Amino acid sequence: AQSVTQPDIHITVSEGASLELRCNYSYGATPYLFWYVQSPGQGLQLLLKYFSGDTLVQGIKGFEAEFKRSQSSFNLRKPSVHWSDAAEYFCAVGRDNNDMRFGAGTRLTVKP
Amino acid sequence: DAGVTQSPTHLIKTRGQQVTLRCSPKSGHDTVSWYQQALGQGPQFIFQYYEEEERQRGNFPDRFSGHQFPNYSSELNVNALLLGDSALYLCASGSQGNYGYTFGSGTRLTVV
Repeated sequence: AQSVTQPDIHITVSEGASLELRCNYSYGATPYLFWYVQSPGQGLQLLLKYFSGDTLVQGIKGFEAEFKRSQSSFNLRKPSVHWSDAAEYFCAVGRDNNDMRFGAGTRLTVKP
Repeated sequence: DAGVTQSPTHLIKTRGQQVTLRCSPKSGHDTVSWYQQALGQGPQFIFQYYEEEERQRGNFPDRFSGHQFPNYSSELNVNALLLGDSALYLCASGSQGNYGYTFGSGTRLTVV
């Protein structure tokens, strides 16, 4: 069965510092992987997605993620965090829109 | 270009009542999926509609039903509301074969 684990419930980083949010997945086939961001009271915005090819994926707002098949991971990174990045981040896995499964999310707090 | 529009934004219902939530997909999208997001959790897949038919369903009881109209808009109906149905209900639209949803801002349902 497919599943997504986001090991960190809450992360705090200082503005300007680098960020890495962890995501581990379990999937029976080659996965499609996604990262979404959710601001308070808002819906989810797609940051980036991986289907195949280059394992380093660039997304919006300066985010990138690296697919590592050997580690079943798809970690999200940003070299320098801005205060506006404070939000909830969700990793998701699925072969198509029907069976997308989300992790429980990681809440990011940015210190001034 | 309008994104995904959901109405109402907030709703309070009494246990045992019925509720209808509405969603207009992003222009050009023909597929609508509904998700339930409980507080502190990731979104859980309820069902997906395409060509006015329910195509896939998650692990939700029959109290949850839906409809898609010829203009691709959709409704989510929940009967016999339980306190546990309190959640943010997200509508997501997409196109068949193009992965990665566009999410609406959600309807916050509170059952008292």
